[in-house]
Amino acid sequence: SQKIEQNSEALNIQEGKTATLTCNYTNYSPAYLQWYRQDPGRGPVFLLLIRENEKEKRKERLKVTFDTTLKQSLFHITASQPADSATYLCALEAGTASKLTFGTGTRLQVTL
Amino acid sequence: GAGVSQTPSNKVTEKGKYVELRCDPISGHTALYWYRQSLGQGPEFLIYFQGTGAADDSGLPNDRFFAVRPEGSVSTLKIQRTERGDSAVYLCASSDYRDREANEQFFGPGTRLTVL
Repeated sequence: SQKIEQNSEALNIQEGKTATLTCNYTNYSPAYLQWYRQDPGRGPVFLLLIRENEKEKRKERLKVTFDTTLKQSLFHITASQPADSATYLCALEAGTASKLTFGTGTRLQVTL
Repeated sequence: GAGVSQTPSNKVTEKGKYVELRCDPISGHTALYWYRQSLGQGPEFLIYFQGTGAADDSGLPNDRFFAVRPEGSVSTLKIQRTERGDSAVYLCASSDYRDREANEQFFGPGTRLTVL
């Protein structure tokens, strides 16, 4: 069955460092991979989308890589700030129906 | 210009009762999605509308769950004979499906359903 794995344990890093979050998947061939941010009590907010034929995409302090051979995406936040503290969700999209299949999310805590 | 809105924000009901959850998508968005999120989990897909029709309802857990979008805008998720296991946050999202380059989904704040 399809499975998407994200680090279930919280990631604690110091302000200014680079945070790296991992998303691994099995039994899936996504056309797109998306990353969302979710704060407590709120709905997810879209951050970045990367296509299956793209290796890397950047947006301001964010960088996403996508390796369809390893079936893995890495999400990087450079120069992290306490305001980056949230849960980050990866989501796969097959490309036809556009429904998203989400991972469980990784909680990031950035401390001063 | 507002985002996706959902009502009510919280719903407490008793086991066996019927509930309706409402979603107002972003104006002009043709695609609408319902997801369910349990504590500590990612959102789980329920159903997807393209316009008025359900394009994919494969995520509905059983026939107690039903959703409609009669005019291609507002959608209602209906749950009959609620069970305690239905307790979760129900999220609605919309997207402009025509813009395939960036099919980001815009989520509402969710409705927290508690079945006692």
